[in-house]
Amino acid sequence: EVQLVESGGDLVQPGRSLRLSCAASGFNFHDYAMHWVRQAPGKGLEWVSGISRSSTTLAYADSVKGRFTISRDNAKDSLYLQMTALSADDTAFYYCVKDTMGGIRGVVTHWGQGTLVTVSS
Amino acid sequence: FMLTQPHSVSESPGKTVTISCTRSSGSIASNYVQWYQQRPGSAPTTLIYEDTKRPSGVPDRLSGSIDSSSNSASLTISGLQTEDEADYFCQSYDDTNVIFGGGTKLTVL
Repeated sequence: EVQLVESGGDLVQPGRSLRLSCAASGFNFHDYAMHWVRQAPGKGLEWVSGISRSSTTLAYADSVKGRFTISRDNAKDSLYLQMTALSADDTAFYYCVKDTMGGIRGVVTHWGQGTLVTVSS
Repeated sequence: FMLTQPHSVSESPGKTVTISCTRSSGSIASNYVQWYQQRPGSAPTTLIYEDTKRPSGVPDRLSGSIDSSSNSASLTISGLQTEDEADYFCQSYDDTNVIFGGGTKLTVL
């Protein structure tokens, strides 16, 4: 069974940094592209970033480009999101999601339960 | 491009409802469309991927389709049940972005 477990969400002050992690299990993590998707409270879904299976392709939404960095460690079956210069607009649940292929396509079949990031002074 | 969904739809138990998702530019057929369900307080789950495929565990009363003439995708739920009351999101992608529709709230009256 595919499992994606996010961690690292917290209450942080504006301008600070935070690193999210996602532990994957139940599938060959190194074979699939992965993404982060976020959802502000009461709002819709917003794609944040994606990474191909071997990290050769990275993609970011314009709203986070230059501030967020996606990475993965295939030896540890883990996905990460380093977030810097956080603002209130980044307050959201952050979901780790699995693509269906090794390249970034955005065809998602599995979601984690999410981790909450709150940016507030 | 953008994906436009109706804000809300409602229907009675046992009936059939269709939720549309219209692509603003580029062909709806050029990139796969996915559909996700989100119940209150829960993470989204995938109902349909690659336009028409259902992950294991998703009942066949849910189906996806695309219509090139209207440049839209649709999610059809037949035999509506109260448990279908939720938010539904369509999603697609292009070379550089992954795009979600704004979501549709389904009320089962």
